[in-house]
Amino acid sequence: DVKVTQSSRYLVKRTGEKVFLECVQDMDHENMFWYRQDPGLGLRLIYFSYDVKMKEKGDIPEGYSVSREKKERFSLILESASTNQTSMYLCASSPSRLAGSGDTQYFGPGTRLTVL
Amino acid sequence: AQSVTQLDSHVSVSEGTPVLLRCNYSSSYSPSLFWYVQHPNKGLQLLLKYTSAATLVKGINGFEAEFKKSETSFHLTKPSAHMSDAAEYFCVVSDMRNNDMRFGAGTRLTVKP
Repeated sequence: DVKVTQSSRYLVKRTGEKVFLECVQDMDHENMFWYRQDPGLGLRLIYFSYDVKMKEKGDIPEGYSVSREKKERFSLILESASTNQTSMYLCASSPSRLAGSGDTQYFGPGTRLTVL
Repeated sequence: AQSVTQLDSHVSVSEGTPVLLRCNYSSSYSPSLFWYVQHPNKGLQLLLKYTSAATLVKGINGFEAEFKKSETSFHLTKPSAHMSDAAEYFCVVSDMRNNDMRFGAGTRLTVKP
């Protein structure tokens, strides 16, 4: 069965801390994504990666960076956490390298991050 | 640029009655369209998708959606709601030509006993 896992379900951090969110997929998928989900706004794409060491900005990359050193793992980094980054973060993967390919995206359970 | 609009932020139905969740899209190319469901404290799960084959698409749990190009709509329906259908539903449009996917803001479905 397809599986995307995220390192934490709930996380509480302080303003200014560096935060790492980890995502692992076991399906040998090419594409991986990070979204944030806020009420009334749906999902907004932060970054995606179509290959190891490759990354592309999404709609809201400011304040975030990513790392993909291995195909199965995609990390989201908040360099200096701020209160407006309190949100639900969702990781997803899909088979193809094209984000708009029509592939199904498979989602992890999400990490609810609170920044105090 | 493409976009998707979910016309209702919240829909409430009684158990056993039909469900209609509305989605309109804008795309300059032939899009792929998806509906995903998110149960509380869970990730998103694919309900169904349209990728230029049959315009009436059947998904899991008795849901279906019809692609209507003339109306730029992809509404989600189910004949009879079940309590377990209570969740948030997202409509998504995908355009391979510009490598872009867009999520709607979501519709929260409440099912009353």
